[in-house]
Amino acid sequence: GENVEQHPSTLSVQEGDSAVIKCTYSDSASNYFPWYKQELGKRPQLIIDIRSNVGEKKDQRIAVTLNKTAKHFSLHITETQPEDSAVYFCAAGDNFNKFYFGSGTKLNVKP
Amino acid sequence: EAQVTQNPRYLITVTGKKLTVTCSQNMNHEYMSWYRQDPGLGLRQIYYSMNVEVTDKGDVPEGYKVSRKEKRNFPLILESPSPNQTSLYFCASSRATGNTIYFGEGSWLTVV
Repeated sequence: GENVEQHPSTLSVQEGDSAVIKCTYSDSASNYFPWYKQELGKRPQLIIDIRSNVGEKKDQRIAVTLNKTAKHFSLHITETQPEDSAVYFCAAGDNFNKFYFGSGTKLNVKP
Repeated sequence: EAQVTQNPRYLITVTGKKLTVTCSQNMNHEYMSWYRQDPGLGLRQIYYSMNVEVTDKGDVPEGYKVSRKEKRNFPLILESPSPNQTSLYFCASSRATGNTIYFGEGSWLTVV
């Protein structure tokens, strides 16, 4: 089956700096790559996603890049703010809605 | 309001006592699934369903059962819970393959 690895497990940045979280996947059949943000005690919520026919997608301060050949995708957050502090999960899914999640990155944005 | 509702939100039970966690969505989504979340392991898919009466195993199905008799409901059944099933459980739904997954609020389950 699919194996999704996520790095780093924790990330601490200063407010205003950029944060980058990276994920790799193993199954070339995966074609949908969402990113979720989970605040303490709450449910994961989608922040951005990308499909395998696209190399990059941006939404305000958040961007995701995908390299299908290398089987890796990354989340980029620019101009970080304290409210960006949370756990972020990447995931890889296929046409059957079978999803595999990374182990999560705890992002701490220091004011 | 579009939502995924799961119950109970918090439960402490004893080993071997059958329990059911209910899940209901009001978005007419075809796809529903169950995940468990454990520290350091992220979210792992237990079972998923592509439509009524169609279910399949996810990554960690052992010890769990599901059913999909109606489109809106997807209960998770633990026939004989064990302490290693202590976890945070999320139900989720999506409109179709490769679409946004909407998660329920989560159910904290402790098996003693």
